[in-house]
Amino acid sequence: EPEVTQTPSHQVTQMGQEVILRCVPISNHLYFYWYRQILGQKVEFLVSFYNNEISEKSEIFDDQFSVERPDGSNFTLKIRSTKLEDSAMYFCASRLGYEQYFGPGTRLTVT
Amino acid sequence: AQKVTQAQTEISVVEKEDVTLDCVYETRDTTYYLFWYKQPPSGELVFLIRRNSFDEQNEISGRYSWNFQKSTSSFNFTITASQVVDSAVYFCALNEGYSTLTFGKGTMLLVSP
Repeated sequence: EPEVTQTPSHQVTQMGQEVILRCVPISNHLYFYWYRQILGQKVEFLVSFYNNEISEKSEIFDDQFSVERPDGSNFTLKIRSTKLEDSAMYFCASRLGYEQYFGPGTRLTVT
Repeated sequence: AQKVTQAQTEISVVEKEDVTLDCVYETRDTTYYLFWYKQPPSGELVFLIRRNSFDEQNEISGRYSWNFQKSTSSFNFTITASQVVDSAVYFCALNEGYSTLTFGKGTMLLVSP
């Protein structure tokens, strides 16, 4: 069964560094998402992407964040200058119909 | 604006007990979708069920059942004869049409032997 994949599974970075989180959505899906879950808290929407542009973003998704679909398969989330409070699990999701399929997540630890 | 409330932060049961996880939602749309996800200790989000606003039939899948009641804006989840492997955080979520998912804060279920 097709699935969403994410790499790396765990990323440790120092404050102020740039990180890129990578996702490979399910191949025929058209809508892509990033969500964030700070440890012990709920899953929060960051951004949605359709037709090569951002379709919706939350207040969390400020200028330090960007997304890109650099080729036909990858969907990336870049955090330009990481802060301690960016430490969280980041989930990518994709959908074709109503149901969003989630990847296994990347745990980002900012030290 | 859409909102999902899971009032139970943590529930502890002993194996073989039945347990119900509550979910109450708010939405202004007439067309919306409700979901339950399971998050085991390993961290991934496992899809359990999707229900659309026009289908109020309750659903049963093995030991899992869901009770959708539009009159009370609730979408409760019951696990019958709970098992230790059911221990996880369970999230209820809502989206209106093709919008993004709004999650509740989750309920941590601890099933002890």
